[in-house]
Amino acid sequence: KAGVTQTPRYLIKTRGQQVTLSCSPISGHRSVSWYQQTPGQGLQFLFEYFSETQRNKGNFPGRFSGRQFSNSRSEMNVSTLELGDSALYLCASSLDLGVGTDTQYFGPGTRLTVL
Amino acid sequence: SQQGEEDPQALSIQEGENATMNCSYKTSINNLQWYRQNSGRGLVHLILIRSNEREKHSGRLRVTLDTSKKSSSLLITASRAADTASYFCATVATGRRALTFGSGTRLQVQP
Repeated sequence: KAGVTQTPRYLIKTRGQQVTLSCSPISGHRSVSWYQQTPGQGLQFLFEYFSETQRNKGNFPGRFSGRQFSNSRSEMNVSTLELGDSALYLCASSLDLGVGTDTQYFGPGTRLTVL
Repeated sequence: SQQGEEDPQALSIQEGENATMNCSYKTSINNLQWYRQNSGRGLVHLILIRSNEREKHSGRLRVTLDTSKKSSSLLITASRAADTASYFCATVATGRRALTFGSGTRLQVQP
């Protein structure tokens, strides 16, 4: 099976712009989660989608949003980019076998640089 | 915010030696997982240990969990240069689904 794929791998934007990142989960996986990784804050949970619905949300401002399509593919959007949004954005998928029992499989990430 | 801390923050050993990393967390958990990350790339899942388990093995990896102390350790035996990476513990809090990560340990294995 193919792993989790994320596109693009690298992205450079300027402050005030918006950006959309894409994630394709492992075939058959219905849950997709997004994480942000920065040197200062480490790895932080953004949100999780299941059956096209946001099921969980982390502590991020409304500029960060996402969605999931019927084929489980997911996108996340960041509007009005700030310098502090520069980070590695990681997507993870899981089978969703039950609360707290799943293994999450991560993609290679999208490296976003905001100038 | 991060669930807890990992100790040490950095570890340098020689090939063939064992490496031990520790993780502490704050809340009750469903499970604890360990991941490896090479040079800012994606995370590779290593092992999952449930809250009712005390020890788990996978190849050269041994994980222990002490829920009374809210701590876990990862032991890599007979380390190899290819084990050089950052290692993160991540917890799934009771009733939750999201992973909460520790701060990570950077392991350097010298050939």
